[in-house]
Amino acid sequence: EPEVTQTPSHQVTQMGQEVILRCVPISNHLYFYWYRQILGQKVEFLVSFYNNEISEKSEIFDDQFSVERPDGSNFTLKIRSTKLEDSAMYFCASRRLAADGGELFFGEGSRLTVL
Amino acid sequence: AQSVTQPDIHITVSEGASLELRCNYSYGATPYLFWYVQSPGQGLQLLLKYFSGDTLVQGIKGFEAEFKRSQSSFNLRKPSVHWSDAAEYFCAVGAHSGNTPLVFGKGTRLSVIA
Repeated sequence: EPEVTQTPSHQVTQMGQEVILRCVPISNHLYFYWYRQILGQKVEFLVSFYNNEISEKSEIFDDQFSVERPDGSNFTLKIRSTKLEDSAMYFCASRRLAADGGELFFGEGSRLTVL
Repeated sequence: AQSVTQPDIHITVSEGASLELRCNYSYGATPYLFWYVQSPGQGLQLLLKYFSGDTLVQGIKGFEAEFKRSQSSFNLRKPSVHWSDAAEYFCAVGAHSGNTPLVFGKGTRLSVIA
């Protein structure tokens, strides 16, 4: 069964460092998302991506964040200069179509710890 | 704007007992509704979804949910809980059109005791 894969599963970094989280969405999916979940809190939307550009982003997704689809298969989230409050689980998700409100398929997440 | 409320932060049930997890949503039109489950340290797995038609939907692992438009609710139920059902459960709402992202509730943590 096709699945969304994320790497790394866990990354520890120092405050101020750049971090790149990688995702491989399901191959025939067209819409890609990043969500994050701070420990013990709800899953929050960060950004959606379609046709090689951001289609929507939340207020959390400030200038420190960027997304890219560099090679047609990977979908990356970059945090330029990490802060303590960026510590969270980051989930990548994809779906095939938007018109039918298709379900999101989530990866298992990348846990980011900022020290 | 869409929003989801899960009023119960933590629920404890005995194995074999029935379960109902509450979800209320706010949305201006007919929503798409989802229940996801998250086991500790794991990703989000879809349990079931409602798009249209029959308001009682069946999902995996013996779960079901009922969409009640008049109450803006989409409660999750299971007639007999198993210890392996202990997890975090998230209700989410989406739009019918466009690429509007899913909005999640804060989740309900389910503990199962013997």
